Formats: sequence, structure tokens, C-alpha cells
Amino acid sequence: EEQLVESGGGLVQRGGSLRLSCAASGFTFNSHWMSWVRQAPGKGLEWVARIKRDGSEKYYVDSVTGRFTISRDNAGNSLHLQMNSLRGEDTAVYYCVRETRFPPIVNDAFDIWGRGTMVTVSS
Amino acid sequence: DIQMTQSPSSLSASVGDRVTITCRASQSVSSYLNWYQQKPGKAPKLLIYASSSLQTGVPSRFGGSGSGTEFTLTISSLQPDDFATYYCQQSYSTPLTFGQGTRLEIK
Repeated sequence: EEQLVESGGGLVQRGGSLRLSCAASGFTFNSHWMSWVRQAPGKGLEWVARIKRDGSEKYYVDSVTGRFTISRDNAGNSLHLQMNSLRGEDTAVYYCVRETRFPPIVNDAFDIWGRGTMVTVSS
Repeated sequence: DIQMTQSPSSLSASVGDRVTITCRASQSVSSYLNWYQQKPGKAPKLLIYASSSLQTGVPSRFGGSGSGTEFTLTISSLQPDDFATYYCQQSYSTPLTFGQGTRLEIK
């Protein structure tokens, strides 16, 4: 079964740091781009960051650029998100998400989602 | 950044109804448009990719269409399991962006 399991969420003070991890299983991890998507309580979905199959390219939403770092360990089938200088607006459920490139066009869709891990930033 | 706007934001309908949700992009995204369903407390689920292709295992009552800046998700005959929130998402360029969501409720 293709599966993603997040860990590392919790309560942290404003300005603090947290490192999220995602364990992938049941598929060839290094064949897929991976993303983090978050959802603030009662709000919609927001894409946070994505990383290329070999880790050579990384992209971020503006609001986290310079504070968050996405990385991956293909040997260990894991994805990470290092979050520094956390703010109240970072409070959300963070989902680890697999991207799959569906033909016929080069369209990447989020086809496998983890259950999410909650991050709460307190003041 | 490409802004995605869904309409309506919420919708009440009955079992058996035909429902259409619209998603508009602030600039052309070609056919790089995906649809997701999310139920309370659960992760989203991919329904439609590349505007009109049905993800494996998704019932055929779900359909998608459109290209450029205007897209629709149609549910041909609502079932009890379909009451959820639906999101569109463009994969044309980063930052990848979602619509604000459409909450589909039972009338």
C-alpha cells in the first residue's frame, strides 16, 4: 500500500523551530516530486514547498521563504520540513503529499496524502 | 502568482441532484487543473487531474472540463458520500495554488 506518515508536529513558541518528517512506503520514493501542503484550522489548503526527485530543485511559497527548508533522503524514503522563526500564521495541519506526473500533458497532481501533523505556534 | 477563485463558496443540494462547481484562474493555466475532495478531519483526495481525467477509483458521476481560465467540476447525481468540500488547484506554475474551496451541504 502506498503510504505517507508524518511526524514531528506539536506546540512551539513563536520564533521557535520544528522539524517535520514524512516516511514514505509502498512506492518508489525517488521517482516522485514531493510537497508539503498545510491547512490552518477551519481554512483552505495552502501549498508550502516542493522538492524535485533528486533534491536538486526546491520551491517555496513566499510566506515561508527564508524560514522553511524542504529536504529529502531518498535512501531512507523520507521527506523533511525544517521550520524556523515560526509565526502564529504557521499554525496548521501539515500534509506530506506525493506528486505524480499524469500523461498526456506534463501535469503534476497531488495523488497521495498523509494524514497530516498538527503544528501549533503559541504566543 | 496565479489566483484561483471558486464559485459558489457553499452550496446546498439534495441526493440525486446535478451539481456544478466553477473554478476560475487569474491567468491561463492551460489544462493544468486538478480537483480534490476533502471530508472533515480527513486528508484531501484527488478526483480529477489535467482538467478532465478521472483518477483511478473515482466514480464516473464526477466529471471535469475546461481549459485556459475557466473550469468546472460536475457531479451528475449526488450521492450521500459526496457531501464534502471541493478544491481546485493549478499545477501550471509555482507557487502552486488552490481555490478557496466549495462546501457542498445536504439540503
